Amino acid sequence: DTAVSQTPKYLVTQMGNDKSIKCEQNLGHDTMYWYKQDSKKFLKIMFSYNNKELIINETVPNRFSPKSPDKAHLNLHINSLELGDSAVYFCASSQGGQNGNQPQHFGDGTRLSIL
Amino acid sequence: DAKTTQPNSMESNEEEPVHLPCNHSTISGTDYIHWYRQLPSQGPEYVIHGLTSNVNNRMASLAIAEDRKSSTLILHRATLRDAAVYYCILLAIYNNNDMRFGAGTRLTVKP
Repeated sequence: DTAVSQTPKYLVTQMGNDKSIKCEQNLGHDTMYWYKQDSKKFLKIMFSYNNKELIINETVPNRFSPKSPDKAHLNLHINSLELGDSAVYFCASSQGGQNGNQPQHFGDGTRLSIL
Repeated sequence: DAKTTQPNSMESNEEEPVHLPCNHSTISGTDYIHWYRQLPSQGPEYVIHGLTSNVNNRMASLAIAEDRKSSTLILHRATLRDAAVYYCILLAIYNNNDMRFGAGTRLTVKP
């Protein structure tokens, strides 16, 4: 069973559309994250949630809205998609929101392409 | 934020040991040293982490300098599957697991 699973794996859509990426973890972790990896391959954290509460919110346009219905899920909704949103988005999870001593487990990514 | 410096790329031969260095001269006493790797078209994968003492697990060993200003990830016998980008990251206690990736070291393993 996949520990952190994201859907869809690929997402091709037009500029201006609204889309969602779903993430689920079956590890029993209490903290989940979204990262963005751009074309230059730099990975940047976007958000983190601990027990369904927003903990980290980096400088991300407010067109991006994470939603955590429960501890096992953290979905990412993006409004009014722009060309610059094309990237690979990774979901991750870990146990413990403030520890520094816990590894993060990553999904395989969602490759978003904006036409 | 404490930063890390890694070589852009390294090469290794299959079945030989690989030592991947990382400098973190501004590390604070509460920073854990984490290593992740990213294989092509996959998400980052946790490798190992430590605070002060050397650490071993089934994937690798982590050697931490006595002053903690540098560390080395050791792959004891490189395989073709170990070809990846390796990231050395400092993660502070009580900093909400805010993990900042750098450019990492691209490891090429030659058969």
